Amino acid sequence: AQSVAQPEDQVNVAEGNPLTVKCTYSVSGNPYLFWYVQYPNRGLQFLLKYITGDNLVKGSYGFEAEFNKSQTSFHLKKPSALVSDSALYFCAVRDTDAGNNRKLIWGLGTSLAVNP
Amino acid sequence: EAQVTQNPRYLITVTGKKLTVTCSQNMNHEYMSWYRQDPGLGLRQIYYSMNVEVTDKGDVPEGYKVSRKEKRNFPLILESPSPNQTSLYFCASYAPRGLTEAFFGQGTRLTVV
Repeated sequence: AQSVAQPEDQVNVAEGNPLTVKCTYSVSGNPYLFWYVQYPNRGLQFLLKYITGDNLVKGSYGFEAEFNKSQTSFHLKKPSALVSDSALYFCAVRDTDAGNNRKLIWGLGTSLAVNP
Repeated sequence: EAQVTQNPRYLITVTGKKLTVTCSQNMNHEYMSWYRQDPGLGLRQIYYSMNVEVTDKGDVPEGYKVSRKEKRNFPLILESPSPNQTSLYFCASYAPRGLTEAFFGQGTRLTVV
């Protein structure tokens, strides 16, 4: 079965330090992977995606993610965290099997807290 | 500007009083979907639509209805709301063939008392 796991409910990091938010996935075919961010009282905003090609994907607000096929992971990273990065982060994978309505399969989210 | 518009943003209603949450997108996307977000449960898909007049159940469809009469609109209908439908609701759209990202509305916080 297709699935996404975000093993950490919460990540705490000091401002200026690097951050990593973890995501692992399970799909039968090729994974199309996405990261979204949700700020309080807002909708989800797209950060970045991996479809094919370079394993290191760069996205909005200085975020990047590394696709690792052997470890079935797609961890979100940022070299230097900002207090304003504090938010809820969701990883998602697109199920490319047309029989599964091409739906997005979501992780449960990771709350990132960046401390001043 | 590409966007998904949901209304209302906040709604408090009483048990059993029918309500509709509207969703409209201006990107000509084929695919639209409704999610509910509850603490600890992430995003759960309620209903989705692959195109006009094509809708199907998601993971938690009980107590909800949808329609897709036009490509841009995908309203969510609660015929007889109950307190367990108190939640944060999101509408999303994307173009599946183009492998584009999904666009989300701002959310509707519904409270059923």
